[in-house]
Amino acid sequence: GIQVEQSPPDLILQEGANSTLRCNFSDSVNNLQWFHQNPWGQLINLFYIPSGTKQNGRLSATTVATERYSLLYISSSQTTDSGVYFCAGKAAGNKLTFGGGTRVLVKP
Amino acid sequence: DAGVIQSPRHEVTEMGQEVTLRCKPISGHDYLFWYRQTMMRGLELLIYFNNNVPIDDSGMPEDRFSAKMPNASFSTLKIQPSEPRDSAVYFCASSPLRVTGELFFGEGSRLTVL
Repeated sequence: GIQVEQSPPDLILQEGANSTLRCNFSDSVNNLQWFHQNPWGQLINLFYIPSGTKQNGRLSATTVATERYSLLYISSSQTTDSGVYFCAGKAAGNKLTFGGGTRVLVKP
Repeated sequence: DAGVIQSPRHEVTEMGQEVTLRCKPISGHDYLFWYRQTMMRGLELLIYFNNNVPIDDSGMPEDRFSAKMPNASFSTLKIQPSEPRDSAVYFCASSPLRVTGELFFGEGSRLTVL
């Protein structure tokens, strides 16, 4: 399977700040997803984005498939954005592989 | 739709006991996945089903683990006998047949084996 690396591993933000999370993958992917795991442990599907750009409220994501990375943007962060953000990628014929996550803490 | 439903949400048991975790996928989703999450290993895929048939169980740690999907709306993950190192959060997820393959997770079952 592919390797998925996320950076940074930890991020502390002041409420209202913007941030960018990065996901690098070792091979071409036909499936790339971003998830948020909230402090209660729930895994929420944020984006399915094998290529291109999508936006959902204060969150947006961009995947540059040819360069094997994806970015998740959080704008005007809120305390409810705290948690762990995972990206997961899948190459043809392989399993969806999760990165190690970026732990985000938004302080009021 | 109610989403992926898992039970129990929490389970505390003693080493050697049998544990059964249950999952109801989203109606119409043809793929069902079982994941395990630990601090040390992150999210690991244990097994997945397509149309109730197990496709890849290479992630199942050992013979103590087994999974079944007797019909499209129900799956179980069984550990027998359980060991302390099985303590983890077990997630079930489902995905539609379509190409997108978006995963939708249940709330997880937190297992503690004493």
